[in-house]
Amino acid sequence: EAGVAQSPRYKIIEKRQSVAFWCNPISGHATLYWYQQILGQGPKLLIQFQNNGVVDDSQLPKDRFSAERLKGVDSTLKIQPAKLEDSAVYLCASILGPGSKTQYFGPGTRLLVL
Amino acid sequence: AQTVTQSQPEMSVQEAETVTLSCTYDTSESDYYLFWYKQPPSRQMILVIRQEAYKQQNATENRFSVNFQKAAKSFSLKISDSQLGDAAMYFCAYRSPQGGFQKLVFGTGTRLLVSP
Repeated sequence: EAGVAQSPRYKIIEKRQSVAFWCNPISGHATLYWYQQILGQGPKLLIQFQNNGVVDDSQLPKDRFSAERLKGVDSTLKIQPAKLEDSAVYLCASILGPGSKTQYFGPGTRLLVL
Repeated sequence: AQTVTQSQPEMSVQEAETVTLSCTYDTSESDYYLFWYKQPPSRQMILVIRQEAYKQQNATENRFSVNFQKAAKSFSLKISDSQLGDAAMYFCAYRSPQGGFQKLVFGTGTRLLVSP
């Protein structure tokens, strides 16, 4: 089975620019997560979707970050405007559903803000 | 809120030897899941091993095993017969079993170096 897909793999932008990341979860996985992994730290949850509804976005900086999962499949994460401290790897993960135990991660998008 | 602590930023091991990575966590819940994930350089995070808190038996997956001490809130990973391909960042993670908020809480990671 195909894994979690993410694009682009790398992105370099200047501060105050906008950027968008795309994630396609494993087929049939209802729950999708976006994590931010700053260099030297463990991943931190930004937002969690159940189908196309938001379950948890308490750690999402809503003044600059937004995310959507319109049809309950693919998801996009946007940053506008970007700040230097947004430089990180953005990981997408998915899980079959509430009763499942293991999250499967994509390869991540490495963002550098100059 | 739950927290996960990995006190070893970096560990080294020689091929064929055994190494143990440490993890402690803090929670008031009695039922939960614990995970070890491996993140090779520039590659995606993959699950190494999973432990359910209600199970007393320590989980084992081939060369990987855990020492789960629930009372001490300790969850260490033992890698036996280390191989060059084991070199990676290893993250310990905690997850509550209940409800829809199944987010993982990660530690800061331990970088494992494997030398020939």
